[in-house]
Amino acid sequence: DSGVTQTPKHLITATGQRVTLRCSPRSGDLSVYWYQQSLDQGLQFLIQYYNGEERAKGNILERFSAQQFPDLHSELNLSSLELGDSALYFCASSPVGTGGANYGYTFGSGTRLTVV
Amino acid sequence: GQSLEQPSEVTAVEGAIVQINCTYQTSGFYGLSWYQQHDGGAPTFLSYNALDGLEETGRFSSFLSRSDSYGYLLLQELQMKDSASYFCAEGWGYQKVTFGTGTKLQVIP
Repeated sequence: DSGVTQTPKHLITATGQRVTLRCSPRSGDLSVYWYQQSLDQGLQFLIQYYNGEERAKGNILERFSAQQFPDLHSELNLSSLELGDSALYFCASSPVGTGGANYGYTFGSGTRLTVV
Repeated sequence: GQSLEQPSEVTAVEGAIVQINCTYQTSGFYGLSWYQQHDGGAPTFLSYNALDGLEETGRFSSFLSRSDSYGYLLLQELQMKDSASYFCAEGWGYQKVTFGTGTKLQVIP
């Protein structure tokens, strides 16, 4: 258990629908990141939140949105789903102010979204 | 923008040494990390280089040359369980981390 919790693990939904993916970061981590990984592809950065505020945005579609709540959990909302949105969606968290420590991201186990 | 290029696939024999290269083009640079990902699993952090040189962590070592915009991951005494995808990534900590294209390593007996 990495300490980053993602739910649900699997999600099957129809085109045109809307889903919400949830992420709870590791205890003490203020930053949450969302990544999309399509089949046999790399990790595409979607969006980052830090302590409730949007910090950086990647190639996130307008149909997608996210937020981070006061308790630091984050939700990624995907709407008007298309077949091409089928992918693994990872959430990761990281500590802040580690002063040069060699910390990377800690990833959750992902949500596998299948759009049919 | 940031881009990090890696070979798509590498095959190596159990017990051998393998090197996975990463070349990058970034507008800023906040260090090079390496992640391992088994099929269907979550990426796990392996190592991080902020400065030029070699960092060693057990059987894994990572090297960085900022002047050449190049780094590599060295895996020694390969084991079957090392078969996975390996990603280099630029950035660290709370900076946005951009991942490379990934290298699928197959370890054969």
